[in-house]
Amino acid sequence: GQQVMQIPQYQHVQEGEDFTTYCNSSTTLSNIQWYKQRPGGHPVFLIQLVKSGEVKKQKRLTFQFGEAKKNSSLHITATQTTDVGTYFCAVGNSGYALNFGKGTSLLVTP
Amino acid sequence: DADVTQTPRNRITKTGKRIMLECSQTKGHDRMYWYRQDPGLGLRLIYYSFDVKDINKGEISDGYSVSRQAQAKFSLSLESAIPNQTALYFCATSDFAGNTIYFGEGSWLTVV
Repeated sequence: GQQVMQIPQYQHVQEGEDFTTYCNSSTTLSNIQWYKQRPGGHPVFLIQLVKSGEVKKQKRLTFQFGEAKKNSSLHITATQTTDVGTYFCAVGNSGYALNFGKGTSLLVTP
Repeated sequence: DADVTQTPRNRITKTGKRIMLECSQTKGHDRMYWYRQDPGLGLRLIYYSFDVKDINKGEISDGYSVSRQAQAKFSLSLESAIPNQTALYFCATSDFAGNTIYFGEGSWLTVV
């Protein structure tokens, strides 16, 4: 199945600062999904990107899919303590199970 | 009630023992998955099943087996548990298109 590399592995920010995590693939992706896992919780679906160059927003979260469909990013504007958790990207074709990146753990200090 | 239920939620077992983790879902999905989570390694796929008669190995299937007893039930077994199988295990489901994966609450397994 398809694989993705996710960076950074960890990020520690002050509340109010911005945060970005990136997913990169060596192959063209059919789509990419993003999940959030709160500490002690389970991963929860955030969004799916399908189209080349697609940009979607959810309040302070902005998701982008690269023009070549080989990379994606999740950007959080003005982080809050509620943003703490691990963010995963996941990729896979419809005939295969999703493969997850290793995740970016975000810590937000008040 | 949760859409994806895992039992047990926590278990400590001894090396060499057989352990089964059970998963049931009420979403009516055909696809079910077992993932393992370790710190710094993300979520790794153990086994997946696209329907009752379909079982596929994932990235790290060695040392594990699965059974799809019904559309709603998918169990994971460790025939002879070893300490490096200590991890957090997640069951998950998705619809036919696989567009969204719904995870259970997770099962913490410690092998001593």
